[in-house]
Amino acid sequence: DAGVIQSPRHEVTEMGQEVTLRCKPISGHNSLFWYRQTMMRGLELLIYFNNNVPIDDSGMPEDRFSAKMPNASFSTLKIQPSEPRDSAVYFCASSLYWDRGHNEQFFGPGTRLTVL
Amino acid sequence: AQKVTQAQTEISVVEKEDVTLDCVYETRDTTYYLFWYKQPPSGELVFLIRRNSFDEQNEISGRYSWNFQKSTSSFNFTITASQVVDSAVYFCALSAPRGNSGYSTLTFGKGTMLLVSP
Repeated sequence: DAGVIQSPRHEVTEMGQEVTLRCKPISGHNSLFWYRQTMMRGLELLIYFNNNVPIDDSGMPEDRFSAKMPNASFSTLKIQPSEPRDSAVYFCASSLYWDRGHNEQFFGPGTRLTVL
Repeated sequence: AQKVTQAQTEISVVEKEDVTLDCVYETRDTTYYLFWYKQPPSGELVFLIRRNSFDEQNEISGRYSWNFQKSTSSFNFTITASQVVDSAVYFCALSAPRGNSGYSTLTFGKGTMLLVSP
C-alpha cells in the first residue's frame, strides 16, 4: 500500500514567491496533519483536519500560511509570500480516526523548503 | 498542559552496546497515549510503538523494548545490541483527550539523536 505522498520533495524559491506543498494521505484515513520541523523549534503542528474540516489551526504561524483539504485524498499548504525564515522540512501525516485517540499517525517523506 | 521531555540530546554508543532512551511526560489526564517515532538520516518519520495509559506491560519487539511506568511518568525505549542502522533521531510523543473534541494532537519531545559507531 502506498504511504503518505508529498510533493515536491525539495523546493527552492526566492523570498516573496508563492509556495504550494501537496499531500495525498493514505487511502481511507480521515485525519490529516501538517507539521514543520526546524533545528531550532523541532516538530511543530501547523494544522489538523478531520474529515476534510480544519479542526486546529492554532499552529499556523501567520496569515501568510494557508491550508486546504478539498477532498479526502488531497491537501495543500500554501505560503504566500514566502520568507527565508519559512525554510524548514514540512511533513504531512495521516491517521484513521485520530479523534478517537488510539491510532498512530503515518508520516510522509517531507518537503524540504529553502527560501533564499 | 502536556509536555514531553527527552533530556538526552545526543547519545553515542559502539555497535552491540545496549542503549536506553529516556522519555518523561506530563499530563493531567488519566487516559492518554504515548508513542515513539524514529527519524533516520533519510528524514522520514517512522512509527515504532503506541501505548495507552492503562497498559503498563512492558513490550518487546526484536531488539527493541519499551518500559512504561506511570508512577514516574516515564516511557523509556531500550535498544539491545545496537547496530549502525539504529542511528537516527528518536522522538517520544503524547496525546490526551480534549474534552468533547476527541484527542489532542501529538506533543513531541525534542528528540534524542543516537549515533551507533561500528
